[in-house]
Amino acid sequence: QKEVEQDPGPLSVPEGAIVSLNCTYSNSAFQYFMWYRQYSRKGPELLMYTYSSGNKEDGRFTAQVDKSSKYISLFIRDSQPSDSATYLCATRDSGGYQKVTFGTGTKLQVIP
Amino acid sequence: EAEVAQSPRYKITEKSQAVAFWCDPISGHATLYWYRQILGQGPELLVQFQDESVVDDSQLPKDRFSAERLKGVDSTLKIQPAELGDSAMYLCASSGIGDTQYFGPGTRLTVL
Repeated sequence: QKEVEQDPGPLSVPEGAIVSLNCTYSNSAFQYFMWYRQYSRKGPELLMYTYSSGNKEDGRFTAQVDKSSKYISLFIRDSQPSDSATYLCATRDSGGYQKVTFGTGTKLQVIP
Repeated sequence: EAEVAQSPRYKITEKSQAVAFWCDPISGHATLYWYRQILGQGPELLVQFQDESVVDDSQLPKDRFSAERLKGVDSTLKIQPAELGDSAMYLCASSGIGDTQYFGPGTRLTVL
């Protein structure tokens, strides 16, 4: 079993839809949770960064962490064609060397 | 805005040849990471440096891969000899103390 599981999709939605992307993780030591966006043939770009449980909002993006169920989510409101990309969830523990574990990524397509 | 630089962006080589990738992290970032990302998967850590020291190279295939960060700034990742299965995106990332990772654009390697 991988430490971070993510549905690979692809996920296809119409423009303006609300998108929900999800991951589960197995290691209760993980304290930090990230979402990266990766456009085709580019490096991952940090979208959201949260510590422990709760919600964090940034514009159209909301990250949600539920440590009791080891479940992390990213919601995209009013999705745009420019949101079409692969979304990677990632986690790390509070250890000294900040090792990050990535999910496999979910490919999202927003159709105009 | 400071960015992680990588070169080359694309590399095509024949199997059994040697290849090298270069990374220049964000200024002041002590931690540098090399990842390999196979198409359709999340990045997997190959090696992590803290300043000039390797702190994690447990997933680095040491019979053919080597990495160095001689002055604790830029870094080189080498593969010798390259194999067909090495075709992937090679990503470099850097982070400051207690900070999250920022990725470069990656080097896409194709081994023929």
